[in-house]
Amino acid sequence: DAGVTQSPTHLIKTRGQQVTLRCSPKSGHDTVSWYQQALGQGPQFIFQYYEEEERQRGNFPDRFSGHQFPNYSSELNVNALLLGDSALYLCASSLGSNTGELFFGEGSRLTVL
Amino acid sequence: AQSVAQPEDQVNVAEGNPLTVKCTYSVSGNPYLFWYVQYPNRGLQVLLKYITGDNLVKGSYGFEAEFNKSQTSFHLKKPSALVSDSALYFCAVRLPGSSASKIIFGSGTRLSIRP
Repeated sequence: DAGVTQSPTHLIKTRGQQVTLRCSPKSGHDTVSWYQQALGQGPQFIFQYYEEEERQRGNFPDRFSGHQFPNYSSELNVNALLLGDSALYLCASSLGSNTGELFFGEGSRLTVL
Repeated sequence: AQSVAQPEDQVNVAEGNPLTVKCTYSVSGNPYLFWYVQYPNRGLQVLLKYITGDNLVKGSYGFEAEFNKSQTSFHLKKPSALVSDSALYFCAVRLPGSSASKIIFGSGTRLSIRP
C-alpha cells in the first residue's frame, strides 16, 4: 500500500521563477492538503483540495495555487518566487474533506536563490 | 489568535530516563489535540491524538500525553527514553468544526536522547 508520494524531493530555483510540486495521495484517499514548513518552524496550512476544487485556504498569497486531478493527485504551483518561499513543502492526504487522519509525504525541499 | 506553543526548542535526556515535551494551546472551544513526530528526511507521523474521553492518551512507541483543560496543556511523556526517540516533535490542534486539514502546529521541539 503506497503512502503519500511527492516529487521532486529537492529543487533549486531563482527569484522570479515558477515551480510546480506534485503529490500522489495514499491509496483510497480523496483529499489532498499542502503545508509549508520553513526552517525551524512548524508546518503552515496552505490549502486543501477535494473533488478537484480548493475547499479551504490558509494565509498565503495568490502566488500559491493548486490543482487536483480526477485521480486525486495534486499539484502545488508557486509563481514569482521569493527568497522567503524557501521551505519544505509537505503534502498530506486524507479520506473526506472534514474527517479522517492526515497522512504526510516526505516533502519537497525548495531552495530559492 | 489561535496558537500552539512549545516553549522548548530542544530537550536533552539520557537514555532510560523519563522525558517530557511541553505543549500549551490557545484556542476557543474544545479542540482535537495531536502529537506528530518527524524523523530526518521523513514526513510527519502522528504519535497520538486526543479527541474526547480519558485525559491520558496512549500512543505509538510507548509515548503518552495528558490533556489538562484547565491549564490548556497537552504535554508528551515517556517513562523511559530510547536513543531512537531522537527526532523533531510537533504539538498540533484542530479547531472545533474545522476540516481534518486545517491543523495548527507548534514550532517544534527537538528531542535528543544520549546513550
